[in-house]
Amino acid sequence: AQTVTQSQPEMSVQEAETVTLSCTYDTSESNYYLFWYKQPPSRQMILVIRQEAYKQQNATENRFSVNFQKAAKSFSLKISDSQLGDTAMYFCASPISSGSARQLTFGSGTQLTVLP
Amino acid sequence: DTGVSQNPRHKITKRGQNVTFRCDPISEHNRLYWYRQTLGQGPEFLTYFQNEAQLEKSRLLSDRFSAERPKGSFSTLEIQRTEQGDSAMYLCASSPRADYGYTFGSGTRLTVV
Repeated sequence: AQTVTQSQPEMSVQEAETVTLSCTYDTSESNYYLFWYKQPPSRQMILVIRQEAYKQQNATENRFSVNFQKAAKSFSLKISDSQLGDTAMYFCASPISSGSARQLTFGSGTQLTVLP
Repeated sequence: DTGVSQNPRHKITKRGQNVTFRCDPISEHNRLYWYRQTLGQGPEFLTYFQNEAQLEKSRLLSDRFSAERPKGSFSTLEIQRTEQGDSAMYLCASSPRADYGYTFGSGTRLTVV
């Protein structure tokens, strides 16, 4: 089965510090994108960052960056200078091999709490 | 463009009743997905439309579930003879192309009592 695994159900970090959320995936696709989504309490899912698998350079979006290790099928998210507004559930997502849909499979999430 | 819109936001229904949810995707997006999310879990794929064609359905989508996307615009998800196990957040997402990533709606929270 093709899966996405987030091994940290909960994490906390002090405001202004750096935190890294882990994700491993298993896809049979040869060319694909990987995604991190953020879901604040009672609010909608928001795309945080996207990584193209055939690009060696790690994606960066302001305070958010990824550490992509293709051979290890690892895709971690680093949040620098954490802010209170970063408190949310974070989901890693990978496409599964299934025809034209290219639907994403999501991990079970990591609840991140930023402490003042 | 106001993003992906879902209605209603909340629905409470009695077991055995039928419910219907609506999703209005971003107008330029031809790809539309329905997911289900239970508390503390990641979204699980239900079904996919490309324009008006329903091209993928998950095994999670039992015969009590049906989805449509007439004219390739808005989509509806209907659940017949609801069961308590159907209680969840139902999420709609749209995308302009494969591998672009999704824009999600705010979801419809269904509670079956």
